Amino acid sequence: AQSVTQLGSHVSVSEGALVLLRCNYSSSVPPYLFWYVQYPNQGLQLLLKYTSAATLVKGINGFEAEFKKSETSFHLTKPSAHMSDAAEYFCAVSRGGYSTLTFGKGTMLLVSP
Amino acid sequence: DSGVTQTPKHLITATGQRVTLRCSPRSGDLSVYWYQQSLDQGLQFLIQYYNGEERAKGNILERFSAQQFPDLHSELNLSSLELGDSALYFCASSVGSGSITDTQYFGPGTRLTVL
Repeated sequence: AQSVTQLGSHVSVSEGALVLLRCNYSSSVPPYLFWYVQYPNQGLQLLLKYTSAATLVKGINGFEAEFKKSETSFHLTKPSAHMSDAAEYFCAVSRGGYSTLTFGKGTMLLVSP
Repeated sequence: DSGVTQTPKHLITATGQRVTLRCSPRSGDLSVYWYQQSLDQGLQFLIQYYNGEERAKGNILERFSAQQFPDLHSELNLSSLELGDSALYFCASSVGSGSITDTQYFGPGTRLTVL
């Protein structure tokens, strides 16, 4: 079985501050890990994915995530938050193939001026 | 705009009814995936079709069914609707058969409200 846990249903930051969204995974096999973003009234958009190549993965819009096997974590970071980053972020794990994607509950990122 | 279209955007119906949700994948994409997003269950994979054939099944209820047509558009049929079926239903598409090396593109979703 596989699962992801996102710590914090809501995270608030000020514009220009560091963004850190936490994700821990559980998987019986080497996992593939994903971060998706969902803007209001829109579908999900892939930010980045880990597929067992480099452990530091760079994504779109300045986001990156680091796969840490020893900590079973895949936290999402961005050095400086922008108002346009306000959205819901989902971490997901797969054991291979999109049909096995398991999503976390999501973290709503709030950015204040 | 991902290039994946879903109709209708909103659907309001009554318990016991049947509805059909439609999805058109991006041009050239052969796989279509259906997901349900609800407050209770979160985001769940329902079913995948690849080039007209069912490829993978997730947490799809027996009251739900889907198909992919020769022009690659897909329909998700929900019958004997219950209040708990109220959710956002997303369609996604990808070029290949669902490998992680593919990129998956999501549509804007259909919001179903069952009264």
